[in-house]
Amino acid sequence: EDQVTQSPEALRLQEGESSSLNCSYTVSGLRGLFWYRQDPGKGPEFLFTLYSAGEEKEKERLKATLTKKESFLHITAPKPEDSATYLCAVQAGADSWGKLQFGAGTQVVVTP
Amino acid sequence: GAGVSQTPSNKVTEKGKYVELRCDPISGHTALYWYRQSLGQGPEFLIYFQGTGAADDSGLPNDRFFAVRPEGSVSTLKIQRTERGDSAVYLCASSLTGRSKDTQYFGPGTRLTVL
Repeated sequence: EDQVTQSPEALRLQEGESSSLNCSYTVSGLRGLFWYRQDPGKGPEFLFTLYSAGEEKEKERLKATLTKKESFLHITAPKPEDSATYLCAVQAGADSWGKLQFGAGTQVVVTP
Repeated sequence: GAGVSQTPSNKVTEKGKYVELRCDPISGHTALYWYRQSLGQGPEFLIYFQGTGAADDSGLPNDRFFAVRPEGSVSTLKIQRTERGDSAVYLCASSLTGRSKDTQYFGPGTRLTVL
């Protein structure tokens, strides 16, 4: 059975304290891995898509990487505005369309 | 440009009642998805539309749930005989073509509370 597991469930950081979030997956035929950010009371906001092992993408203080079994979201020198829940999702299987399977998310709190 | 919009933002209903949730996708997007998110969990897939047709409804939990997209744009998720377990945030997303690897853009969600 396909599974997407995120760790840790919650992360509390001091401003400037870099850290990494993990998304491990067991799926057949990964087609893409997506990272989203979700603020309380809002819908997920797209961050990155990764397609193949070894790929990396960056946006401001965020960097996403992908291996054959997991993805990491690195947060460098975070600021309080980086506080959010970070969700990863996979597209997998032989279908040509893009149903997403999400993990439960990592709730990040950055304190000044 | 305008993003995905959903109405209402909040809906409170009583057990056994019927509700309709509306989604207006990004203009020109042919693919539309409905997801459901319970507290502390990631979104869970319900149904996918390509144009006017439901290409995959495998995520609908039972026959009380039904969705339509009659003109290939706005979609309505309909829930009959609501139960307390239906309480969740219902999210809608759209993408340009529906092909794998297309970015899905989400709306703000409708928070449904069944008393």
